[in-house]
Amino acid sequence: GAVVSQHPSWVICKSGTSVKIECRSLDFQATTMFWYRQFPKQSLMLMATSNEGSKATYEQGVEKDKFLINHASLTLSTLTVTSAHPEDSSFYICSARESGNTGELFFGEGSRLTVL
Amino acid sequence: GEDVEQSLFLSVREGDSSVINCTYTDSSSTYLYWYKQEPGAGLQLLTYIFSNMDMKQDQRLTVLLNKKDKHLSLRIADTQTGDSAIYFCAEREYQAGTALIFGKGTTLSVSS
Repeated sequence: GAVVSQHPSWVICKSGTSVKIECRSLDFQATTMFWYRQFPKQSLMLMATSNEGSKATYEQGVEKDKFLINHASLTLSTLTVTSAHPEDSSFYICSARESGNTGELFFGEGSRLTVL
Repeated sequence: GEDVEQSLFLSVREGDSSVINCTYTDSSSTYLYWYKQEPGAGLQLLTYIFSNMDMKQDQRLTVLLNKKDKHLSLRIADTQTGDSAIYFCAEREYQAGTALIFGKGTTLSVSS
């Protein structure tokens, strides 16, 4: 089946630094990718919708200057957490849907960010 | 806006059936999903159902959809200890580019 890969799977960084998380669709092209954030023992909250070749659409309350999303190709979207702070520590999960297909969404394994 | 509700905990004995329930509010939901998340791991798609279906069965999993009541359930037959995890119900509309809306997840605990 379709595979979505996230990298890194976990990262620890110092407060004030920036961290980039990659989301790749390995065997299909994804016009749209979604970024979610999950706090411990909570549900997944949609952060933004990433569209290839255009600006991402952010959910209310998500700072677009803080969470930079780039979807430069049909197989790659990146999320950069800029000037990370401890409260940004979370599990970030991306999902992707094959272009032209309105069915199943495929999720990455998630990236756990810890900001010290 | 859309809302998806689930009970938070379910505890069963090994070998019993588990039934996890979910309600949603968006009448335009077209796809309804069940995902499994084990501790520290990502999401694993278990099954999904189109809104024009009432039931879908896949091995030990049975999904029932009552579209009138906007109620979705996941039944796991012969529950095993390896089924212990958090189960998320999610829904989305038909339009291309729409994201999933997730419930808060039901923690299933299976005791031997």
